[in-house]
Amino acid sequence: DIQMTQSPSTLSASIGDRVTITCRASHNINNFLAWYQQKPGKAPKLLIYKASNLESGVPSRFSGSGSGTEFTLTINSLQPDDLATYHCQQYNTYSPITFGGGTKVEIK
Amino acid sequence: QVQVVQSGAEVKNPGASVMISCRASGYPLTTYYVHWVRQAPGQGLEWMGLVNSNNGDTNFIQKFKGRVTVTRDTSTNTVYMILSSLKIEDSAIYYCARGPGDRGDYWGQGTLVTVSS
Repeated sequence: DIQMTQSPSTLSASIGDRVTITCRASHNINNFLAWYQQKPGKAPKLLIYKASNLESGVPSRFSGSGSGTEFTLTINSLQPDDLATYHCQQYNTYSPITFGGGTKVEIK
Repeated sequence: QVQVVQSGAEVKNPGASVMISCRASGYPLTTYYVHWVRQAPGQGLEWMGLVNSNNGDTNFIQKFKGRVTVTRDTSTNTVYMILSSLKIEDSAIYYCARGPGDRGDYWGQGTLVTVSS
C-alpha cells in the first residue's frame, strides 16, 4: 500500500498567518491527491482534489500544489473558522486509497 | 441539493453484525461510487472500500474482505453496509461518502458503532 506522511502533526498559528501543510507519498501518485478539512465532531469536507483543484464553495484562501510524491496545502490568511484537522488522501489505480495521519491546526 | 444521510448509532456485542444505511438525495445513486471510511476514537481516517452504485461491484481492502457485505436499493437511493464478526477494535465512526473513484465529495454525518461486551 502507498503510505502517506503528513507534517506537521500539529501546528499553532495566528489569525492572518499563512499556513502550509505537507504530505509525502511513498510512491508516485501523479496528481491523485485530495485534501479534507475535519472540524471536531464533524465529517470530513473535501477542499482540494487532484492536487490543486479547489472544490466548489471552498474559500479561495485554500490552495493545493504538488505532484508525484510531494504535496502541500496552503491556507492564506488563517481564519478562526479554519480550526480543524486536515487530512490528505491518495488514489492510485493499483493500490487502495490511503490517508495521511492528519494535521491539527490550532489558533494561537 | 446533494445530501447523504446515515443511520443512527449502534451498540453491538463482539461477534455480532451491524448494518449501516447510507441514503443519498439530490442525485441518482447510480451515477457515483459510494466510499466507506471509518475513524476509530482519536485516530485518523481509514478507507475501507467502495461500491459501484451502478452495478453493485465492490472493492474493499483485504482486512475487511469476507466480513463486509454491501447492497444497494436504487429505488430508495440507499446503500447498506453490513460488517460482521465484530471485534472490540471495530468500534469507530463509520462514514459513507459519495464520489468519483478517487475521492469523496459529499459525506454522510457518520454512524458511531460501539462494540462492547
